[in-house]
Amino acid sequence: SAVISQKPSRDICQRGTSLTIQCQVDSQVTMMFWYRQQPGQSLTLIATANQGSEATYESGFVIDKFPISRPNLTFSTLTVSNMSPEDSSIYLCSVEDRGVVGTEAFFGQGTRLTVV
Amino acid sequence: AQSVTQLDSQVPVFEEAPVELRCNYSSSVSVYLFWYVQYPNQGLQLLLKYLSGSTLVKGINGFEAEFNKSQTSFHLRKPSVHISDTAEYFCAAENTGGFKTIFGAGTRLFVKA
Repeated sequence: SAVISQKPSRDICQRGTSLTIQCQVDSQVTMMFWYRQQPGQSLTLIATANQGSEATYESGFVIDKFPISRPNLTFSTLTVSNMSPEDSSIYLCSVEDRGVVGTEAFFGQGTRLTVV
Repeated sequence: AQSVTQLDSQVPVFEEAPVELRCNYSSSVSVYLFWYVQYPNQGLQLLLKYLSGSTLVKGINGFEAEFNKSQTSFHLRKPSVHISDTAEYFCAAENTGGFKTIFGAGTRLFVKA
């Protein structure tokens, strides 16, 4: 299992500014994932962050808008840049041990972002 | 998995009544299946998972789910719900050789006294 600490838990930000979300895991993991959960909707994968390489972004998400850092095997950050009200959402960090068949995902408690 | 469909967006139910949350998936290959629960202001946590073997899977908090390959379903059930079961429930699927977990849209279970 993995315990994930995500900060901040919530924030209210002005449009045009940027917010960096931190994700700390209590064990070393190869792959970390960043999801967005918009109100009343399911999780949408933003990108996959591997240590030592560039993050892999899903269709509709770009590095300039959502830059990701992965400096080591226990930590990652997601920045939401030049925010607009449409970015208001819950952002979730997740890890999976892909080396174990059928392993489940573990999630942080999420960051509830409101852009005004 | 190519898609996961949760057929009910909201399910209201009285306390101590049984409940079933429906989930169907589509995939051209074998999949692993999961149910996650999200309590208010929290991240998701695993309820149960199906990898192989017995099609009836038991999870935490008295929940169970049945994998039906012919109907491509993985419905979640509980014989008697509690107020504390009020939460959002997500069905998810992952190809057995795959890389990505696909989540359903979620079902909000609301247990009334």
